[in-house]
This record gives sequence, structure tokens and C-alpha cells, in this order.
Amino acid sequence: QSALTQPPSASGSPGQSVTISCTGTSSDVGGYNYVSWYQHHPGKAPKLMIYEVSKRPSGVPDRFSGSKSGNTASLTVSGLQAEDEADYYCSSNVGANNWVFGGGTKLTVL
Amino acid sequence: QVQLVESGGGVVQPGRSLRLSCAASGFSFSGHGMHWVRQAPGKGLQWVAIIWYDGSQKYYSDSVKGRFTVSRDNSNNTLYLQLSSLTAEDTAVYYCARDMKGRLTFDVWGQGTMVTVSS
Repeated sequence: QSALTQPPSASGSPGQSVTISCTGTSSDVGGYNYVSWYQHHPGKAPKLMIYEVSKRPSGVPDRFSGSKSGNTASLTVSGLQAEDEADYYCSSNVGANNWVFGGGTKLTVL
Repeated sequence: QVQLVESGGGVVQPGRSLRLSCAASGFSFSGHGMHWVRQAPGKGLQWVAIIWYDGSQKYYSDSVKGRFTVSRDNSNNTLYLQLSSLTAEDTAVYYCARDMKGRLTFDVWGQGTMVTVSS
């Protein structure tokens, strides 16, 4: 199973919105509504931000939203804040107890 | 609070073995499936293995199948990963993560333990 494709970097100024894409195939992102997004500050534990394409776990600000169209999922961060600067990873369940991740996107708040 | 703490990483020679541990606290460990996920230096995350809540089922990525073994001790709230026949490609930070029931995702993660395979 190949990794999902994410842009290596993204950036935005405080208060702006930024969208990170995650492109797969009909065998992963396009075939299942089990896309998740994780925030990872290096050296810390990754944090679940979005699951099942667009659902937010308790405690995640509503500035974070997820969507999917065809084989591409997206994470949008609105009202960018300095603490949003981190690496972001997408994942998709691909059935039969198997998961695939994206390569990660480094989000920089300018 | 809900917490996962990995340990057991280190430097190991190619072909040798290593056992990682993940101590869970703050939740009903025996009620959740558990995963191992790794991240090689400069690379993205890679799913490694899952073990069901009761240890009855185990699944592995193709890259580690036959070499790694996941297990758990529910009486001591601890998850394990036995790594064998290690190669340089296994060099990575290894994370344990809790399975979010019915959601096919990972809702709690540890901070990871580094495994370096080098002669």
C-alpha cells in the first residue's frame, strides 16, 4: 500500500486560513470515510484532530475542519494561531485491519 | 489522565532483536485495541501493527510481518512489540497508539521511543 500524498509544506499568516490536501486512490481515501488528521509537534505525542473525514474529537477547536472529495481529503485550519505551527499527517483505513499515512505537511505560521 | 509511555528503544546491531513496551494509564486498557506506528528519520508515519483488546487478533504491515510480534498484558496495562531480524530500514521512532473504538483511527498516542539499527 503506497503512502498518501501530502504537500511537504504549507504556510499562512495569523488569522488566515490554510488548507492541506491528502491525495490517495479509490482503494484508500476515495473508498472509505475513515480519513483522519493528526497534529504533531516534534518530540511530542501526535494528537488526533479529525476523524471519519470531518468529525472533531472533544477539545479540538472548531477552527480545524475536514472534508473529502473523491480521492482527496483536506484539512482546513481557520484563524491561524502561532500554536498551530506543527507537522500534520493524514491517514486512511484501507480495510482488513490495515492503515496508510501521508508523508506529512509542515505548517508554518508566518 | 489518559497516557501512553513507550520504553525499550536503543541502538541495536543488524539482525538482532529488541522488545519495546508501552505502559498505559488513565483508561480501561483491556477495553481497547492498540497499535504500533513508526516514523523513520525524515519520513512520514507508517502503521506497523494492531492487537485487539483481548489479544485474540493481531495484524501487521507487510514490511514487518514475520519479524515483529505484538502482544499485551492486560493485567499490567502494558503493550509490547518484539522486533527481530532488524535491518537499517527499521530505524525509527516507534509510537504506541490507542484504537478509537469503532472509528478506525488512533485517538491517544505516546511520545515514542527511538530504535536505531546500526553496526
